[in-house]
Amino acid sequence: EAQVTQNPRYLITVTGKKLTVTCSQNMNHEYMSWYRQDPGLGLRQIYYSMNVEVTDKGDVPEGYKVSRKEKRNFPLILESPSPNQTSLYFCASSYGGYNEQFFGPGTRLTVL
Amino acid sequence: QKEVEQDPGPLSVPEGAIVSLNCTYSNSAFQYFMWYRQYSRKGPELLMYTYSSGNKEDGRFTAQVDKSSKYISLFIRDSQPSDSATYLCAMSDEAAGNKLTFGGGTRVLVKP
Repeated sequence: EAQVTQNPRYLITVTGKKLTVTCSQNMNHEYMSWYRQDPGLGLRQIYYSMNVEVTDKGDVPEGYKVSRKEKRNFPLILESPSPNQTSLYFCASSYGGYNEQFFGPGTRLTVL
Repeated sequence: QKEVEQDPGPLSVPEGAIVSLNCTYSNSAFQYFMWYRQYSRKGPELLMYTYSSGNKEDGRFTAQVDKSSKYISLFIRDSQPSDSATYLCAMSDEAAGNKLTFGGGTRVLVKP
């Protein structure tokens, strides 16, 4: 089944404790993105990657890191999480820039 | 002012009614317009995709784009309780690549 998977689905952590949210897709997509979704603000892009070893900032990159060492994986790293990073995070992938983006199921992160 | 404006709702309609959703935007460079549906606790999934102005129909769904007014619409005919979800508009332009700019989403509730 074609899909984007994210882990964990739910995470509660404390300020400053490094964490990684994994994202994997099995559709051989070149493009992958991370979004955060907050009430009233919709989905905002954090980082995106056009291919292996190619990443770039989205609209809200501060406090986040990403890497793209393999085509299928695109982990999101929070080196020192803060409470304002409490949000619902989505990973997405697509064949190309203007094609349909497939979204993962989301990761709900709470930073205390 | 947000780049893409969308009424958050909720929009409550009886089963069988027509649901009318819309978004306004400010960036005249947007050329790709999408509607995503998001069920509770799920990732968004693409419903409709249009390029430039005009109408597109797919089953019970019709998407309209009026670039002169910077206004897009989604109509759902013969609405069903299973259409209850949050609907997100999204748009992009040539320069933005795969970066989508989303509206905040409209929550729709179809009552049996």
